Amino acid sequence: QVQLQESGPGLVKPSETLSLTCTISGGSISSYYWSWIRQPAGKGLEWIGRIYSSGSTNYNPSLKSRLTMSIDTSKNQFSLKLSSVTAADTAVYYCARGEIVEVPAAIRLYYYYYMDVWGKGTTVTVSS
Amino acid sequence: DIQMTQSPSSLSASVGDRVTITCRASQSISRYLNWYQQKPGKAPKLLIYAASSLQSGVPSRFSGSGSGTDFTLTISSLQPEDFATYYCQQSYSTPPFTFGPGTKVDIK
Repeated sequence: QVQLQESGPGLVKPSETLSLTCTISGGSISSYYWSWIRQPAGKGLEWIGRIYSSGSTNYNPSLKSRLTMSIDTSKNQFSLKLSSVTAADTAVYYCARGEIVEVPAAIRLYYYYYMDVWGKGTTVTVSS
Repeated sequence: DIQMTQSPSSLSASVGDRVTITCRASQSISRYLNWYQQKPGKAPKLLIYAASSLQSGVPSRFSGSGSGTDFTLTISSLQPEDFATYYCQQSYSTPPFTFGPGTKVDIK
């Protein structure tokens, strides 16, 4: 079955760029959305953004000015870069697969988005 | 951005109990609502999408309902493996697809 694995430095200095990669195994990168979500220790989940297999992106406006996502279909990988990091960016970072499913209701179709496959997460600490 | 709230923030229950968790959106999101379960040190797991559709492989004791701004996740008979934190997430229209703050279910 499809598995995702996050990789990247576990420690990043303040003001530097956090870079993470998610490698997909057991499935295709094509025709799915690929997302990043983070979770500070003891806190809730924050949706960071997503990239489609075509390369189109949607970012969380709160992070957009510092965020870049990219995808490499030849390597079955997608990546996140978050610049000018501070201690507030310390968190567990998860990658996840997003899918849109078609659900009929009455006389029309509805399209719902959800994230159904997640990586195990990687801890990133921002500290000097 | 659409804001999500959940209640209660935590609850204590016994095995076999019926448990209900509520999620509310700051504006109507139709049925664009997902539920996830997260156990300590683990990634979230999708339980319910489109407010009431059960993800493949998820036990039928989990069910979801609601539309508009008010939604409910129900566990009909709580099992030992269900002690976890539950998050709702809206996927309506334009991102960001915000999560609720979570509801922790622990053992009474």
